[in-house]
Amino acid sequence: EDQVTQSPEALRLQEGESSSLNCSYTVSGLRGLFWYRQDPGKGPEFLFTLYSAGEEKEKERLKATLTKKESFLHITAPKPEDSATYLCAVRTNSGNTPLVFGKGTRLSVIA
Amino acid sequence: DADVTQTPRNRITKTGKRIMLECSQTKGHDRMYWYRQDPGLGLQLIYYSFDVKDINKGEISDGYSVSRQAQAKFSLSLESAIPNQTALYFCATSDPRTGEVGNQPQHFGDGTRLSIL
Repeated sequence: EDQVTQSPEALRLQEGESSSLNCSYTVSGLRGLFWYRQDPGKGPEFLFTLYSAGEEKEKERLKATLTKKESFLHITAPKPEDSATYLCAVRTNSGNTPLVFGKGTRLSVIA
Repeated sequence: DADVTQTPRNRITKTGKRIMLECSQTKGHDRMYWYRQDPGLGLQLIYYSFDVKDINKGEISDGYSVSRQAQAKFSLSLESAIPNQTALYFCATSDPRTGEVGNQPQHFGDGTRLSIL
Protein backbone atom coordinates (compact mmCIF):
# COMPACT_ATOMS: atom_id res chain seq x y z
CA GLU A 1 0.00 0.00 0.00
CA ASP A 2 1.29 3.44 -0.93
CA GLN A 3 1.97 5.61 2.12
CA VAL A 4 3.07 9.18 2.75
CA THR A 5 4.25 10.27 6.20
CA GLN A 6 5.00 13.86 7.14
CA SER A 7 6.98 14.98 10.16
CA PRO A 8 6.82 16.75 12.45
CA GLU A 9 3.06 17.13 12.85
CA ALA A 10 3.57 20.67 14.14
CA LEU A 11 6.56 23.00 14.21
CA ARG A 12 6.96 26.31 15.96
CA LEU A 13 9.79 28.60 14.84
CA GLN A 14 11.01 32.04 15.72
CA GLU A 15 11.13 34.49 12.85
CA GLY A 16 14.44 33.96 11.03
CA GLU A 17 14.98 30.45 12.45
CA SER A 18 15.53 28.15 9.47
CA SER A 19 14.29 24.55 9.53
CA SER A 20 13.09 21.65 7.38
CA LEU A 21 9.88 19.68 7.01
CA ASN A 22 10.05 16.02 6.05
CA CYS A 23 7.90 13.90 3.75
CA SER A 24 8.81 10.22 3.57
CA TYR A 25 7.07 7.88 1.18
CA THR A 26 6.67 4.18 0.56
CA VAL A 27 5.30 3.65 -2.91
CA SER A 28 5.57 1.10 -5.67
CA GLY A 29 6.93 3.60 -8.13
CA LEU A 30 7.11 7.37 -7.83
CA ARG A 31 5.93 9.46 -10.78
CA GLY A 32 5.93 12.77 -8.96
CA LEU A 33 5.91 14.42 -5.55
CA PHE A 34 3.93 17.58 -4.85
CA TRP A 35 4.13 20.19 -2.10
CA TYR A 36 1.13 22.35 -1.19
CA ARG A 37 0.53 25.13 1.31
CA GLN A 38 -2.84 25.38 3.08
CA ASP A 39 -3.98 28.43 5.05
CA PRO A 40 -6.87 28.19 7.55
CA GLY A 41 -10.23 28.31 5.79
CA LYS A 42 -8.61 27.92 2.36
CA GLY A 43 -7.91 25.17 -0.10
CA PRO A 44 -4.39 23.84 -0.67
CA GLU A 45 -2.22 26.03 -2.89
CA PHE A 46 0.27 24.32 -5.20
CA LEU A 47 3.95 25.04 -4.52
CA PHE A 48 6.23 22.52 -6.28
CA THR A 49 6.42 19.30 -8.26
CA LEU A 50 9.52 17.10 -8.05
CA TYR A 51 9.99 14.21 -10.46
CA SER A 52 13.31 12.50 -9.75
CA ALA A 53 15.86 12.00 -6.99
CA GLY A 54 18.33 14.86 -6.76
CA GLU A 55 15.91 17.43 -8.10
CA GLU A 56 15.51 20.75 -6.25
CA LYS A 57 13.07 23.63 -6.68
CA GLU A 58 12.97 27.02 -4.99
CA LYS A 59 10.41 29.73 -4.40
CA GLU A 60 11.24 32.71 -2.19
CA ARG A 61 12.22 31.27 1.23
CA LEU A 62 11.22 27.72 0.32
CA LYS A 63 13.35 25.01 -1.26
CA ALA A 64 12.12 21.49 -1.93
CA THR A 65 14.46 18.55 -2.44
CA LEU A 66 13.86 14.91 -3.32
CA THR A 67 15.66 11.62 -2.62
CA LYS A 68 14.57 8.07 -3.38
CA LYS A 69 12.78 7.79 -0.03
CA GLU A 70 11.87 11.28 1.08
CA SER A 71 11.48 14.94 0.32
CA PHE A 72 12.41 17.95 2.40
CA LEU A 73 10.89 21.39 2.38
CA HIS A 74 13.56 23.76 3.66
CA ILE A 75 12.42 27.11 5.01
CA THR A 76 15.14 29.74 5.20
CA ALA A 77 14.72 32.73 7.53
CA PRO A 78 10.95 32.25 7.83
CA LYS A 79 8.53 35.11 8.42
CA PRO A 80 5.17 35.04 10.21
CA GLU A 81 3.39 34.97 6.84
CA ASP A 82 4.95 31.56 6.18
CA SER A 83 2.71 30.13 8.93
CA ALA A 84 0.45 27.51 7.33
CA THR A 85 -0.02 23.77 7.00
CA TYR A 86 2.28 22.24 4.40
CA LEU A 87 1.00 19.16 2.59
CA CYS A 88 2.98 16.58 0.66
CA ALA A 89 1.40 14.29 -1.97
CA VAL A 90 2.71 11.62 -4.32
CA ARG A 91 1.63 10.29 -7.69
CA THR A 92 2.53 6.64 -8.14
CA ASN A 93 2.71 4.12 -10.94
CA SER A 94 0.12 1.83 -9.38
CA GLY A 95 -3.35 2.10 -7.92
CA ASN A 96 -6.35 4.13 -8.96
CA THR A 97 -5.80 7.16 -6.75
CA PRO A 98 -4.37 10.09 -8.69
CA LEU A 99 -2.66 11.52 -5.58
CA VAL A 100 -1.90 10.16 -2.10
CA PHE A 101 -1.63 12.92 0.52
CA GLY A 102 0.23 13.04 3.80
CA LYS A 103 -1.45 14.51 6.91
CA GLY A 104 0.56 17.71 6.77
CA THR A 105 2.89 19.73 8.98
CA ARG A 106 1.39 22.73 10.77
CA LEU A 107 4.03 25.48 10.82
CA SER A 108 3.84 28.49 13.13
CA VAL A 109 6.37 31.29 12.80
CA ILE A 110 6.48 33.67 15.75
CA ALA A 111 7.65 37.28 15.38
CA ASP B 1 -13.04 35.87 -8.97
CA ALA B 2 -11.87 32.45 -7.83
CA ASP B 3 -10.93 29.95 -10.56
CA VAL B 4 -12.52 27.05 -8.63
CA THR B 5 -15.73 27.97 -6.83
CA GLN B 6 -17.49 25.78 -4.32
CA THR B 7 -21.01 26.33 -3.04
CA PRO B 8 -22.18 26.49 -0.37
CA ARG B 9 -19.16 27.46 1.77
CA ASN B 10 -20.89 26.25 4.93
CA ARG B 11 -23.82 23.90 5.47
CA ILE B 12 -25.47 22.48 8.54
CA THR B 13 -28.04 19.76 8.03
CA LYS B 14 -29.66 16.79 9.71
CA THR B 15 -29.07 13.06 9.50
CA GLY B 16 -30.93 11.44 6.60
CA LYS B 17 -31.13 14.55 4.43
CA ARG B 18 -29.95 14.61 0.81
CA ILE B 19 -27.24 17.19 0.21
CA MET B 20 -25.55 18.44 -2.93
CA LEU B 21 -22.26 20.29 -2.99
CA GLU B 22 -21.40 22.11 -6.17
CA CYS B 23 -18.14 22.96 -7.86
CA SER B 24 -17.61 25.13 -10.89
CA GLN B 25 -14.35 26.18 -12.55
CA THR B 26 -13.25 28.80 -15.04
CA LYS B 27 -9.81 27.30 -15.63
CA GLY B 28 -10.89 25.22 -18.63
CA HIS B 29 -9.47 22.06 -17.07
CA ASP B 30 -10.80 18.66 -18.09
CA ARG B 31 -10.06 16.85 -14.84
CA MET B 32 -11.99 17.41 -11.63
CA TYR B 33 -11.80 15.83 -8.18
CA TRP B 34 -13.69 15.70 -4.88
CA TYR B 35 -11.83 15.25 -1.56
CA ARG B 36 -12.76 15.28 2.08
CA GLN B 37 -10.47 16.50 4.86
CA ASP B 38 -10.91 15.57 8.51
CA PRO B 39 -8.91 17.09 11.40
CA GLY B 40 -5.58 15.29 11.75
CA LEU B 41 -6.09 13.32 8.55
CA GLY B 42 -4.84 13.86 5.05
CA LEU B 43 -7.02 14.64 2.08
CA GLN B 44 -8.97 11.57 0.99
CA LEU B 45 -10.20 11.20 -2.58
CA ILE B 46 -13.92 10.55 -2.99
CA TYR B 47 -14.46 10.65 -6.77
CA TYR B 48 -12.68 11.98 -9.82
CA SER B 49 -13.54 12.68 -13.43
CA PHE B 50 -11.12 12.97 -16.34
CA ASP B 51 -13.78 14.30 -18.71
CA VAL B 52 -17.56 14.67 -18.92
CA LYS B 53 -18.08 10.99 -19.78
CA ASP B 54 -15.55 9.60 -17.31
CA ILE B 55 -16.30 9.10 -13.59
CA ASN B 56 -14.10 7.10 -11.21
CA LYS B 57 -14.37 6.07 -7.59
CA GLY B 58 -11.68 7.16 -5.17
CA GLU B 59 -10.63 5.74 -1.80
CA ILE B 60 -13.84 6.55 0.08
CA SER B 61 -16.75 6.67 -2.39
CA ASP B 62 -19.30 4.75 -0.28
CA GLY B 63 -22.22 6.99 0.69
CA TYR B 64 -21.40 9.54 -2.03
CA SER B 65 -22.32 10.05 -5.68
CA VAL B 66 -21.24 12.57 -8.28
CA SER B 67 -22.47 14.18 -11.47
CA ARG B 68 -20.34 15.86 -14.14
CA GLN B 69 -22.86 18.15 -15.77
CA ALA B 70 -20.38 19.91 -18.03
CA GLN B 71 -16.64 20.39 -18.36
CA ALA B 72 -16.86 23.20 -15.82
CA LYS B 73 -19.23 21.65 -13.28
CA PHE B 74 -18.83 18.68 -10.94
CA SER B 75 -21.33 18.04 -8.14
CA LEU B 76 -21.04 15.80 -5.09
CA SER B 77 -24.15 14.33 -3.46
CA LEU B 78 -24.75 12.69 -0.13
CA GLU B 79 -27.94 10.71 -0.66
CA SER B 80 -28.69 10.20 3.03
CA ALA B 81 -26.28 12.15 5.20
CA ILE B 82 -24.85 10.64 8.38
CA PRO B 83 -22.86 12.37 11.16
CA ASN B 84 -19.51 10.78 10.24
CA GLN B 85 -19.71 12.59 6.92
CA THR B 86 -19.14 15.82 8.79
CA ALA B 87 -15.95 17.19 7.25
CA LEU B 88 -14.38 19.82 5.04
CA TYR B 89 -14.94 19.02 1.35
CA PHE B 90 -12.68 20.25 -1.43
CA CYS B 91 -13.04 20.29 -5.17
CA ALA B 92 -9.93 20.38 -7.36
CA THR B 93 -9.07 20.57 -11.05
CA SER B 94 -6.08 19.72 -13.21
CA ASP B 95 -5.10 20.19 -16.84
CA PRO B 96 -3.65 17.14 -18.62
CA ARG B 97 -2.03 19.42 -21.19
CA THR B 98 0.42 21.00 -18.70
CA GLY B 99 3.44 19.56 -16.96
CA GLU B 100 4.77 16.08 -17.38
CA VAL B 101 2.18 13.55 -18.54
CA GLY B 102 0.21 12.36 -15.54
CA ASN B 103 1.88 14.81 -13.19
CA GLN B 104 -0.17 17.94 -13.49
CA PRO B 105 -0.68 19.83 -10.22
CA GLN B 106 -4.19 20.07 -8.86
CA HIS B 107 -5.82 23.42 -8.13
CA PHE B 108 -8.23 23.57 -5.22
CA GLY B 109 -11.31 25.54 -4.28
CA ASP B 110 -11.70 26.99 -0.79
CA GLY B 111 -13.89 24.17 0.45
CA THR B 112 -17.33 23.50 1.89
CA ARG B 113 -17.59 22.98 5.63
CA LEU B 114 -20.37 20.43 6.15
CA SER B 115 -21.87 19.59 9.54
CA ILE B 116 -24.40 16.81 9.91
CA LEU B 117 -26.33 16.70 13.16
